[in-house]
Amino acid sequence: QSVLTQPPSASGTPGQRVTISCSGSSSNIGSNTVNWYQQLPGTAPKLLIYSNNQRPSGVPDRFSGSKSGTSASLAISGLQSEDEADYYCAAWDDSLNGEVFGGGTKLTVL
Amino acid sequence: QLQLQESGPGLVKPSETLSLTCTVSGGSISSSSYYWGWIRQPPGKGLEWIGSIYYSGITYYNPSLKSRVTISVDTSKNQFSLKLSSVTAADTAVYYCARQQQLVQGEDYWGQGTLVTVSS
Repeated sequence: QSVLTQPPSASGTPGQRVTISCSGSSSNIGSNTVNWYQQLPGTAPKLLIYSNNQRPSGVPDRFSGSKSGTSASLAISGLQSEDEADYYCAAWDDSLNGEVFGGGTKLTVL
Repeated sequence: QLQLQESGPGLVKPSETLSLTCTVSGGSISSSSYYWGWIRQPPGKGLEWIGSIYYSGITYYNPSLKSRVTISVDTSKNQFSLKLSSVTAADTAVYYCARQQQLVQGEDYWGQGTLVTVSS
């Protein structure tokens, strides 16, 4: 049971906009920033969004993040086949004094 | 370009200690503002943070693993290490080392990961 809650799956067609939600509590998302990772099959996770809405260099602006209260969302616009991957949210938890992850969302591009 | 590489045994017997080392190249492990962490992923499952260390030796551990985990750093070798004691089959996972931006801003560089299987 993950501390952060994500839907197990999401899907969309090429060109579509999809969003993935991440729900937490006051001790994690409510108090700290949210980071998002993309994990392609058989590879290490890649930082996609940090500090709620910041993109590391090289990440396309099709990817965006937002946070409100104890929830956060990752939006992918102009969906492409190469976006098919697992997506994880994460945040620091002040009660656990450690990093917590969501269970992951498997995105399928139909 | 910063690179991280995990090394260590791929097979560990139950009740023994899992030991992994992460070698950092292309940058200094003593850089300020960065922590160095271990994250694992059981086959077919999600990510679990194990713990993080600052170059000065400050550590943070996952409470659920804290009694079994030790993370250490060797700045002279630009390496940091993980020891997980009393392992069981539940500890079978791909273990990743990574660099953390200011502890709360996410892991921006990752190693390729190494599969550790716990089996007799």
